[in-house]
Amino acid sequence: GAGVSQSPRYKVAKRGQDVALRCDPISGHVSLFWYQQALGQGPEFLTYFQNEAQLDKSGLPSDRFFAERPEGSVSTLKIQRTQQEDSAVYLCASSLTQPGVSGNTIYFGEGSWLTVV
Amino acid sequence: GNSVTQMEGPVTLSEEAFLTINCTYTATGYPSLFWYVQYPGEGLQLLLKATKADDKGSNKGFEATYRKETTSFHLEKGSVQVSDSAVYFCALSSNTGNQFYFGTGTSLTVIP
Repeated sequence: GAGVSQSPRYKVAKRGQDVALRCDPISGHVSLFWYQQALGQGPEFLTYFQNEAQLDKSGLPSDRFFAERPEGSVSTLKIQRTQQEDSAVYLCASSLTQPGVSGNTIYFGEGSWLTVV
Repeated sequence: GNSVTQMEGPVTLSEEAFLTINCTYTATGYPSLFWYVQYPGEGLQLLLKATKADDKGSNKGFEATYRKETTSFHLEKGSVQVSDSAVYFCALSSNTGNQFYFGTGTSLTVIP
């Protein structure tokens, strides 16, 4: 597609509920990232995929967070047993090649705004 | 390790004023540097980038020069407009990491 697409844009979940957030990256992009952005803060890294391989999940805050990209394209971020501190914007981003390749640029979706009540 | 530090906000300027938002970085390897802008309710959009020392990135009247000697990538604009009101993020990508590293953001409000 033309840009990174995320759904749902807005999600209100009751505490303890499971949620799934979807990301459609730009077609042909090898790298896919998930970031978490709290109100008034910068994006915080959650996890990174190169094609279908999850090469880095060091930013996932707990074992309630799980991400997958089974066919190397669409990705899903799942949060189990949501807590109030999970309320944030979840940003998906993709890039043509690996991080660190000179000039490689990351492109963001508009985010999924999660509120846990 | 890799990290980005940018000036605290918020910044409030009158229309047509000069803008500087400071950004310094720490990186291993050879980083590429970026400025992203986030308008209210939207995702981050690439504003400009530079890939090696002394490169200047520019877009929409904004400029930033990659200064290796001072490890800086300050954002400047000669004459801001109300439509420039947004949050600006400095970022880096290094060949020693699996992610793009972001600063905490600087909120800019331009008043008529």
